[in-house]
Amino acid sequence: AQSVAQPEDQVNVAEGNPLTVKCTYSVSGNPYLFWYVQYPNRGLQFLLKYITGDNLVKGSYGFEAEFNKSQTSFHLKKPSALVSDSALYFCAVRGYYTGRRALTFGSGTRLQVQP
Amino acid sequence: DSGVTQTPKHLITATGQRVTLRCSPRSGDLSVYWYQQSLDQGLQFLIQYYNGEERAKGNILERFSAQQFPDLHSELNLSSLELGDSALYFCASSSGVEETQYFGPGTRLLVL
Repeated sequence: AQSVAQPEDQVNVAEGNPLTVKCTYSVSGNPYLFWYVQYPNRGLQFLLKYITGDNLVKGSYGFEAEFNKSQTSFHLKKPSALVSDSALYFCAVRGYYTGRRALTFGSGTRLQVQP
Repeated sequence: DSGVTQTPKHLITATGQRVTLRCSPRSGDLSVYWYQQSLDQGLQFLIQYYNGEERAKGNILERFSAQQFPDLHSELNLSSLELGDSALYFCASSSGVEETQYFGPGTRLLVL
């Protein structure tokens, strides 16, 4: 079975400071990893993904994520947070070799960026 | 805008009733996924269709069913509704080649 853990329910950061939203995963074989963001009363917006290749993945809106196989982590980062980044962030995984393409999501982390 | 559309946006109904949620995938996407987002269960995968055929089932109740039509739009049918079925229901689509799933805006279901 595959699973995702987002250990922090909420992350608070001041505008202009770097931010990190943590994610660890468990899956058989190599993982496909994703980050999505959800704004109030909106659907999930795709931010970035790791399939293979470079461990540092760059995505939308200045976000990036680092894949660490030994620590089974895929933390989301941004060098300088904006108030408009305040939202709910979800990490998701699926196994590379599984026939099941559906995503398993973490519980979500609410990011609050203070002006 | 992801290109995935869902109707209706909101649905209020009573216990015991039946509703149908509709999803149109992005142009060219053959796979459709249904997810349920609730406060207590989080985001859970319900069911996947690929080019009209059921491909995978997740935590979908027997009272729920889905289908994908020849034009690739999909419908999720929820019957004998209970209070606990109140949730946000998302549809997502992918091409099957690219792994990214693109989500619709969701249908918010309230069962009274």
